[in-house]
Amino acid sequence: KAGVTQTPRYLIKTRGQQVTLSCSPISGHRSVSWYQQTPGQGLQFLFEYFSETQRNKGNFPGRFSGRQFSNSRSEMNVSTLELGDSALYLCASSLVPAHEQFFGPGTRLTVL
Amino acid sequence: LAKTTQPISMDSYEGQEVNITCSHNNIATNDYITWYQQFPSQGPRFIIQGYKTKVTNEVASLFIPADRKSSTLSLPRVSLSDTAVYYCLVYNNNDMRFGAGTRLTVKP
Repeated sequence: KAGVTQTPRYLIKTRGQQVTLSCSPISGHRSVSWYQQTPGQGLQFLFEYFSETQRNKGNFPGRFSGRQFSNSRSEMNVSTLELGDSALYLCASSLVPAHEQFFGPGTRLTVL
Repeated sequence: LAKTTQPISMDSYEGQEVNITCSHNNIATNDYITWYQQFPSQGPRFIIQGYKTKVTNEVASLFIPADRKSSTLSLPRVSLSDTAVYYCLVYNNNDMRFGAGTRLTVKP
């Protein structure tokens, strides 16, 4: 069974631009969560989707948004990029919320 | 919301048993405790999950006391490849909050 895939793997943007990251969960998994990881802040929860509905949202500004499609694939969008948004963005999927999460390799975003 | 506290780092030697404790004083009744392992440049990997008492799988054990305000991940006979960051996660319906992680270094 294929694992969680994230595209793109690497991305370089400039301040003020917007970016869309994509996550394809493991087949059959209906829950997708997104995390931001930085050296200074560690792993921080962004949001969780289950059956196309956002169940939880972390403490991030409204510039961070996401959605989930009927096939469970998920996207997250960051608008008006800031230097501090440079991070590794991780996606994780699970059969249902609160169960074992399988993480993708992440998208490394660099904002210049 | 349950906040977790872990030691920042730990050192061990090959073949030893390692115990990493996570404190979660405000854990709620419905919260589960989950531990993940992360190697550099990779996403975290699930190790074990529990609700109370003791859970054991092929790689680790998880001990949770009756008050559930802490939990201890036990790694038996660690090897060099167990060098990684270990995260404690307490999940509830409103937040999925990872601890800061414990950097475990296993020495030969």
